Amino acid sequence: NAGVTQTPKFQVLKTGQSMTLQCAQDMNHNSMYWYRQDPGMGLRLIYYSASEGTTDKGEVPNGYNVSRLNKREFSLRLESAAPSQTSVYFCASSETGTGVTYEQYFGPGTRLTVT
Amino acid sequence: SQKIEQNSEALNIQEGKTATLTCNYTNYSPAYLQWYRQDPGRGPVFLLLIRENEKEKRKERLKVTFDTTLKQSLFHITASQPADSATYLCARRRALTFGSGTRLQVQP
Repeated sequence: NAGVTQTPKFQVLKTGQSMTLQCAQDMNHNSMYWYRQDPGMGLRLIYYSASEGTTDKGEVPNGYNVSRLNKREFSLRLESAAPSQTSVYFCASSETGTGVTYEQYFGPGTRLTVT
Repeated sequence: SQKIEQNSEALNIQEGKTATLTCNYTNYSPAYLQWYRQDPGRGPVFLLLIRENEKEKRKERLKVTFDTTLKQSLFHITASQPADSATYLCARRRALTFGSGTRLQVQP
């Protein structure tokens, strides 16, 4: 099992460019998440998807859109990149349901720089 | 707003000592708290979960406590080793909110 995979690993964008970060999981999890991590700020939730077909905003959704393409894949799109979106982006997945602990499995991250 | 805070940004200890990390929460009562480890350049990895009705949880050299009166969870690593050096994060229920993490450095 690959777990959670993310592409690309690194990306440099110019201000105003767009791009999509891809995430896939092979653990048959219902829930998937996108976080950004900045120095001193910890992990902040951008969007999450509790199940296929649903998405919800997290703490910092402005400037981002998401698509839950199917149960395996959850993509994050930056329509018009800004320097403030320079960060490391992590995708995660977890089981959901009665009695589960929502333990999250994280991908390796995408390091994005916007100039 | 509901907050989860890790007050210590960094902690340096000598090998063999016990490391104690603190996680405080305000404005809500979490059903449980999770603890994760993050190594540089990698995603967090789940370590332990403790429920509000559990006072203590252990896994090998790791121990987590949960004090609902103090609104605090303590994470202990006993007999610490240089390989334990990493950033440790706490997270509230469903891990939708993380603390900013404590960077632990264990000196040989």
